[in-house]
Amino acid sequence: AQSVAQPEDQVNVAEGNPLTVKCTYSVSGNPYLFWYVQYPNRGLQFLLKYITGDNLVKGSYGFEAEFNKSQTSFHLKKPSALVSDSALYFCAVRGGWDFNKFYFGSGTKLNVKP
Amino acid sequence: DGGITQSPKYLFRKEGQNVTLSCEQNLNHDAMYWYRQDPGQGLRLIYYSQIVNDFQKGDIAEGYSVSREKKESFPLTVTSAQKNPTAFYLCASSITSENYNEQFFGPGTRLTVL
Repeated sequence: AQSVAQPEDQVNVAEGNPLTVKCTYSVSGNPYLFWYVQYPNRGLQFLLKYITGDNLVKGSYGFEAEFNKSQTSFHLKKPSALVSDSALYFCAVRGGWDFNKFYFGSGTKLNVKP
Repeated sequence: DGGITQSPKYLFRKEGQNVTLSCEQNLNHDAMYWYRQDPGQGLRLIYYSQIVNDFQKGDIAEGYSVSREKKESFPLTVTSAQKNPTAFYLCASSITSENYNEQFFGPGTRLTVL
């Protein structure tokens, strides 16, 4: 069965420090992995995706993610956090027998303190 | 301006009433989805549709119904059989032809049962 795990409910980081939001996945076949961000009372916004190729994927707002096949992980990173990055982050995977279904993690709340 | 619209933004319902949430997209996407979001529980799939006049149950379909009479529209009805309908509802769409495409989300509808 396809699944996504985000082991941290909340991540706290100081502004200017690097941030990492963790995601691990389980999927049959090739994984297609996504990160989304959600601000309060808004829909989800797409940040980046991994399809194939380079394990380091660059996305919007300076975010990047590192795909690690052996560890089945797809961690979201940013070299220098901003207060405005504070939001809820979701990892998702698309795949399996019904490739039109997306499987979401439970979300990680990122708090960036000034 | 392409995208997904949801209406209304806020909806209040008395117990025992059915209500219908609107979702419209002008992205020419074949697949559309409805998710329910509760605090700390991430996104749960209610229904999805890959093509006009066809839809599938998601993980929490009980108490909900949908229709897909037009490609652009995927309304969700929350029936009186849904025991705890207060939540944030998100509509999304995606391309079906390739499974590495991301979903696009609407701004959401917050439903409150009085």
